[in-house]
Amino acid sequence: NAGVTQTPKFQVLKTGQSMTLQCAQDMNHEYMSWYRQDPGMGLRLIHYSVGAGITDQGEVPNGYNVSRSTTEDFPLRLLSAAPSQTSVYFCASSSTTFTDTQYFGPGTRLTVL
Amino acid sequence: RKEVEQDPGPFNVPEGATVAFNCTYSNSASQSFFWYRQDCRKEPKLLMSVYSSGNEDGRFTAQLNRASQYISLLIRDSKLSDSATYLCVGMDSNYQLIWGAGTKLIIKP
Repeated sequence: NAGVTQTPKFQVLKTGQSMTLQCAQDMNHEYMSWYRQDPGMGLRLIHYSVGAGITDQGEVPNGYNVSRSTTEDFPLRLLSAAPSQTSVYFCASSSTTFTDTQYFGPGTRLTVL
Repeated sequence: RKEVEQDPGPFNVPEGATVAFNCTYSNSASQSFFWYRQDCRKEPKLLMSVYSSGNEDGRFTAQLNRASQYISLLIRDSKLSDSATYLCVGMDSNYQLIWGAGTKLIIKP
């Protein structure tokens, strides 16, 4: 099992550009989440999904969209990048509830100029 | 007030020593707590869950104190490989995970 994979590992964008961060898991997990991690702050939930076709907003959803067309994939789209979105982004999955073990991808380091 | 608070450290500890750090939480209804470990520039990984009765896994012991609303992590006989940031995780009133900012631990030879 590859676990949770994320691409790209690094990305530099200019303000106003859009892009999609890819996330996939091969553990047949129902729950998937996107977090951002900023210095001095805990992980903050952006969007999450409890199963294919179902998504919901987390704590900091503005400027991001998600979709969940399959159990395996959960891409995060930045609509119009802003410097405030410079961060490390982690995708995570868990089996049946959020209180199950969260398995994280290796992260994407995004810089918006 | 942050829902989960941790001392950011760093805690500088000699190899072989015992170290403990706490994490306070504000949601008294939270039922689930965890400690995750995050190595530098890596993803978080589950270290252990925290049960009401406490939880021990080898050199690691986690305790929950509901009356004072904190959880603790104790590491005995610390190893160089224990150097990492330890993330405390609780739950908010919507049953979503709330992550602390982490406590950095540095084990020195």
